[in-house]
Amino acid sequence: AQRVTQPEKLLSVFKGAPVELKCNYSYSGSPELFWYVQYSRQRLQLLLRHISRESIKGFTADLNKGETSFHLKKPFAQEEDSAMYYCALKGPAAGNKLTFGGGTRVLVKP
Amino acid sequence: KAGVTQTPRYLIKTRGQQVTLSCSPISGHRSVSWYQQTPGQGLQFLFEYFSETQRNKGNFPGRFSGRQFSNSRSEMNVSTLELGDSALYLCASSFAGLASDEQFFGPGTRLTVL
Repeated sequence: AQRVTQPEKLLSVFKGAPVELKCNYSYSGSPELFWYVQYSRQRLQLLLRHISRESIKGFTADLNKGETSFHLKKPFAQEEDSAMYYCALKGPAAGNKLTFGGGTRVLVKP
Repeated sequence: KAGVTQTPRYLIKTRGQQVTLSCSPISGHRSVSWYQQTPGQGLQFLFEYFSETQRNKGNFPGRFSGRQFSNSRSEMNVSTLELGDSALYLCASSFAGLASDEQFFGPGTRLTVL
C-alpha cells in the first residue's frame, strides 16, 4: 500500500531562517513525488515535482530513494511562505490518483 | 484560461438525504478526479473519470458515486448522507490523466451534514 507521512503538523520559523518540511513515503516501485501548497483562502496548487528538478519560489526538494524521503527546503523563509504544505505521491500505474500526506502548516514570523 | 469551477460552494444537508456536487474542468481537460478533505483523515482520493469512464476508485463506500459527461464536466453523488460525510470536496482536472500531468484543483464544495 502506498503511504505518505509528514511528521510535523506545524512548523514555526522566523523570517530569513531556513525551513525544512519532512516527507517520507512508502511505495513498492518508482513513484512520482509532489509538493502542493495551499495559501490562505486560495485553492490547492502544485509547488513542485521531483521529475522537474527545478526550484520554485526558492524551494527545492530532493528525492532520496534509499531513505524514501522527499523533504522540501528553503534557505531563507519569507512571510509569504506561510501556508499549508502537502506532500503527495502518484504511482505510475495509478493514473491521476494522488496519495497525500497529512500536511504541514508553516508559519513564518516577522 | 478559466480555472476549475465547482458548484455549489456550500451545502447544508441532513442525515439520510442525498447530494450532488458539480465540477467543470479547465477547457480541454478530459480527466477529472475527486478528493475528500477532512480534519481527521486529510485529503483522500475518491475517484477519477476520463472520457466518461471511471478509471480509478478510492476506498469509499458505494454511497459515493460519480459520472462524467461528454463535455468532461463531472458530478459526484453521495446518497444516504451520514454525519461523517461532512467535508470539503475537491475536484481536480488534468489534460489526459497521465501520471506526469499536472492536476489543477477547484475551490471545493463545503458539505455540512446535520
